[in-house]
Formats: sequence, C-alpha cells, structure tokens
Amino acid sequence: GESVGLHLPTLSVQEGDNSIINCAYSNSASDYFIWYKQESGKGPQFIIDIRSNMDKRQGQRVTVLLNKTVKHLSLQIAATQPGDSAVYFCAEKGGYNKLIFGAGTRLAVHP
Amino acid sequence: SQTIHQWPATLVQPVGSPLSLECTVEGTSNPNLYWYRQAAGRGLQLLFYSVGIGQISSEVPQNLSASRPQDRQFILSSKKLLLSDSGFYLCAWSVTSRGEKLFFGSGTQLSVL
Repeated sequence: GESVGLHLPTLSVQEGDNSIINCAYSNSASDYFIWYKQESGKGPQFIIDIRSNMDKRQGQRVTVLLNKTVKHLSLQIAATQPGDSAVYFCAEKGGYNKLIFGAGTRLAVHP
Repeated sequence: SQTIHQWPATLVQPVGSPLSLECTVEGTSNPNLYWYRQAAGRGLQLLFYSVGIGQISSEVPQNLSASRPQDRQFILSSKKLLLSDSGFYLCAWSVTSRGEKLFFGSGTQLSVL
C-alpha cells in the first residue's frame, strides 16, 4: 500500500548549522510531495512542495530534494534558527488525490 | 487573501456529550474542505473531505460526521463523544481537488473526559 515515513523521529542541531530532514515514500507513482512545519498547538504551515518532474526546488533558506530512484525526499534548512524548532511533516499525493502524511520529525535547535 | 477560521481552540467535553466544531474559509469560493485528526505526537489522519455544498466523503468509520451547509463552512459533529475521540482536530482547505497544498486552520484541542 501507499505509505510515507520518516527515518528520524527527532533531530537535534546547533543554531547556525544546516538541518536535513529525511522522508521515504513507497508509491513510485506519486507525482507530488509537500513539506509542512507544525509548531506546538498550531496547525501545520506549508513550507515547500515539489512535483515528480523535478529533482530539487529551493525556497527561502529551505531546499527540497527528490530522489525518485530510491523514493526518498529530504528537506534542507540552511542556517537553522531557534524559530525553526517544530515538527516537520512530509506528505505525498496518494490515490483519489489525497495527501498522505508521514508521522513527523521533531527538529530541536540548540543555542 | 484567503483565511481559515476554526473554533473553539480548546474544548473539554464529557463522554456521551455532543460535539460541534466549526470551520469557515474567507477570500475564496468553492474550496475543497477537509477535517483531519492528529493524536498526540502523531501524524495527520484524514477524516472527511468535501468538494462542494452537501458533498461529504468519509475516510474512516468513526463516531463523527461532517456537514457542509454553506460553500465556505464545514462542521464536524458527534451525537455522543467517546474517550477515543480526544485529539487535535484540524480543518483545511485547498483550491482544487488535486489534493495539493492544503492550508490548515489553527486547530481545536478536544479532550473527552
């Protein structure tokens, strides 16, 4: 079946370092992927998305990489700041145009 | 610009009591609307989605129901809450039915005691 999962449930980084959050997906037919950031007690916020016809997409301080060969998605955050501390979710578009969310990775930024 | 409103932010209800959570979207017409539930420390589970007034699709069998009485209004209800209904409920909307780029509300933390 379709599934989206994450390699690391918790990621701790030093302020100023780059962060890499990884995500694996199982449906090779998925053509759309998206990353969300969720702060405690709040709704998820859209960060960046990518279609399967791209390998890389950049935003402000964030980059999403898509490796379709190994069905792997990653979110890179440059110069991580304390405000980046949150849970990050990846999601893929599954059957019937539904977004399927992974379990999430908690990013903890230390001074 | 488009905004989504969800209320209340926090709700404590006894087992067996009814539930009504409301969500409204402003600044767009004919949005696709969604209700998700998030258990503590877990991912998001899709409960219901709607592509138009009166059109509701249910994703999982449960003690909850949804209604869309107006174009930009989505309501999550229950006649009798169970302990297992506790969780963080999120309303979301999207422009199209392609299942892309959902925009989420601020959520309702429901505790059933």
